[in-house]
Amino acid sequence: TQLLEQSPQFLSIQEGENLTVYCNSSSVFSSLQWYRQEPGEGPVLLVTVVTGGEVKKLKRLTFQFGDARKDSSLHITAAQPGDTGLYLCAGRNTGGGNKLTFGTGTQLKVEL
Amino acid sequence: DTGVSQDPRHKITKRGQNVTFRCDPISEHNRLYWYRQTLGQGPEFLTYFQNEAQLEKSRLLSDRFSAERPKGSFSTLEIQRTEQGDSAMYLCASSLGGGTSGRDEQFFGPGTRLTVL
Repeated sequence: TQLLEQSPQFLSIQEGENLTVYCNSSSVFSSLQWYRQEPGEGPVLLVTVVTGGEVKKLKRLTFQFGDARKDSSLHITAAQPGDTGLYLCAGRNTGGGNKLTFGTGTQLKVEL
Repeated sequence: DTGVSQDPRHKITKRGQNVTFRCDPISEHNRLYWYRQTLGQGPEFLTYFQNEAQLEKSRLLSDRFSAERPKGSFSTLEIQRTEQGDSAMYLCASSLGGGTSGRDEQFFGPGTRLTVL
């Protein structure tokens, strides 16, 4: 079973602060996706990373895939209250299957 | 809106009853997935279809659960003889498989929240 551990589990910060969320595994993934989920809704895809060492930017969000494709990070610059939500990383295994293995999530709250 | 849709959004049932959920994927997507999410956890994979063929099932999918995708378009997930432990958010996702980029991005619907009393 491929497991993805996310840290921290909970994060409460003030508007304007920076933060980093980590997603780690002992397994190699063929691709890794980051989602954001709001209460009572389905996860919304933010980004997909495929190549080891890949860095992608989405406005104030920066995503990085580890060189060995076992870990990833999400960095948010100058957080805003609209960034509040549950951030989930999800990996697609290298065995040819298509299911996603999700991390346990990081609950972010950005306060004014 | 051409995203993934799910119906109903909420379902409350009594233990022992059967329930059925429906998922309509993005129209050109040939792959459809069902996941289950309990409070405070990430979604867990249940099953996956490519067109009408069910290609993978999780061990989480007990014999009380059955999923179908009869014409390769919408899918249904039925739970028979519901138990309180079945209470969860049931999520459907779809993707356009077959590419070589390795992306095969999955897009999720809003989910069906099941409460078993």
